[in-house]
Amino acid sequence: SQQGEEDPQALSIQEGENATMNCSYKTSINNLQWYRQNSGRGLVHLILIRSNEREKHSGRLRVTLDTSKKSSSLLITASRAADTASYFCATDEGPGGSRLTFGEGTQLTVNP
Amino acid sequence: DGGITQSPKYLFRKEGQNVTLSCEQNLNHDAMYWYRQDPGQGLRLIYYSQIVNDFQKGDIAEGYSVSREKKESFPLTVTSAQKNPTAFYLCASTPGVRGTEAFFGQGTRLTVV
Repeated sequence: SQQGEEDPQALSIQEGENATMNCSYKTSINNLQWYRQNSGRGLVHLILIRSNEREKHSGRLRVTLDTSKKSSSLLITASRAADTASYFCATDEGPGGSRLTFGEGTQLTVNP
Repeated sequence: DGGITQSPKYLFRKEGQNVTLSCEQNLNHDAMYWYRQDPGQGLRLIYYSQIVNDFQKGDIAEGYSVSREKKESFPLTVTSAQKNPTAFYLCASTPGVRGTEAFFGQGTRLTVV
């Protein structure tokens, strides 16, 4: 079963605009991570937010976490064509957080 | 350079054959994972291992097998029992401590011919 569910499934914007993607999850977590995947490649870690954090920034990325709603959002500001990729959230489950479970992802297209 | 390596990049399998996908890491990570990704879909967990000589089934383990005889290696065998094996397979590793990022290989694309 998928722990994380992203929405929207697909997002198309113009360069310079902001992109917001959302992730919902079902069980309690210790942390939530966001990853990026270029087509046909492996995933690359973007940012991790712990359950006791509400917001975190890294460059043009801003992640929020609302544990009461079991949801997170990833905001990419001033998007570029190079940001075109799929974005996934991931949560740790199981004893000691041993399972790393990913959502279905959001396909972001940034048009030049 | 430290990293995680999957091979081969492309693999073709005939119906009824077993094939083994390689995953090697030199990051000294304790935990390793195998995921399957179908076109336009998310990652589904096949198997994972927290320590050498131990592994657990994920959500879609049927038709797959793994071994973890060495810390660096976590090969995945796609058996003939897996009826729809055509997919993109991704291997990942983490230090095993909760709350750390996963490192991914570049994937193996398996096609049944």
